[in-house]
Amino acid sequence: NAGVTQTPKFQVLKTGQSMTLQCAQDMNHEYMSWYRQDPGMGLRLIHYSVGAGITDQGEVPNGYNVSRSTTEDFPLRLLSAAPSQTSVYFCASSSLRQGVSNQPQHFGDGTRLSIL
Amino acid sequence: AQSVTQPDIHITVSEGASLELRCNYSYGATPYLFWYVQSPGQGLQLLLKYFSGDTLVQGIKGFEAEFKRSQSSFNLRKPSVHWSDAAEYFCAVGANSGGYNKLIFGAGTRLAVHP
Repeated sequence: NAGVTQTPKFQVLKTGQSMTLQCAQDMNHEYMSWYRQDPGMGLRLIHYSVGAGITDQGEVPNGYNVSRSTTEDFPLRLLSAAPSQTSVYFCASSSLRQGVSNQPQHFGDGTRLSIL
Repeated sequence: AQSVTQPDIHITVSEGASLELRCNYSYGATPYLFWYVQSPGQGLQLLLKYFSGDTLVQGIKGFEAEFKRSQSSFNLRKPSVHWSDAAEYFCAVGANSGGYNKLIFGAGTRLAVHP
């Protein structure tokens, strides 16, 4: 059972470089989301999607873009990396039932990103 | 505003001792509450969840949590801690934003277990 798969697991970038963090799930979940985890701040929502072609901003969207062309994939793009984006990034997915917030989210193992 | 507070950043207990991790939330409606655990280098794993009904919920790995509406709390407990329980624990509330699923996390509590 693959669940939620994130690649790469580690990445080092230079300021100004661009990169895409990949996320794929095989559970046919409608809802997918990206969080960043920083010490002492828990996880903060960056962007989320409720289905193919539908995305919206979360709590900390600046500097990140997303798209959802398929149910399975939800990539996160950093267009011009900044040191403030050094963090651990988690992708999560869950089913949606009438849009309510009671479905547990399944998390990937994370991508550790360092911006020099 | 919706928020989750975990007052304890670090907790250290001896193996075999009991454990209680505190969580307080602020949410206008009936909350959906979760506890997740994160082992080093891993993603988050769901321990337990509260949606409605019995305010004492049982989870995996021998954990339980009690929802107390009057105190806006959802504390996590375990009667006897094992060394493998050393990890970071996150409390979260499920919120509706435009009708869609969103988790609001606390800052986490890091648990260390002494042999």
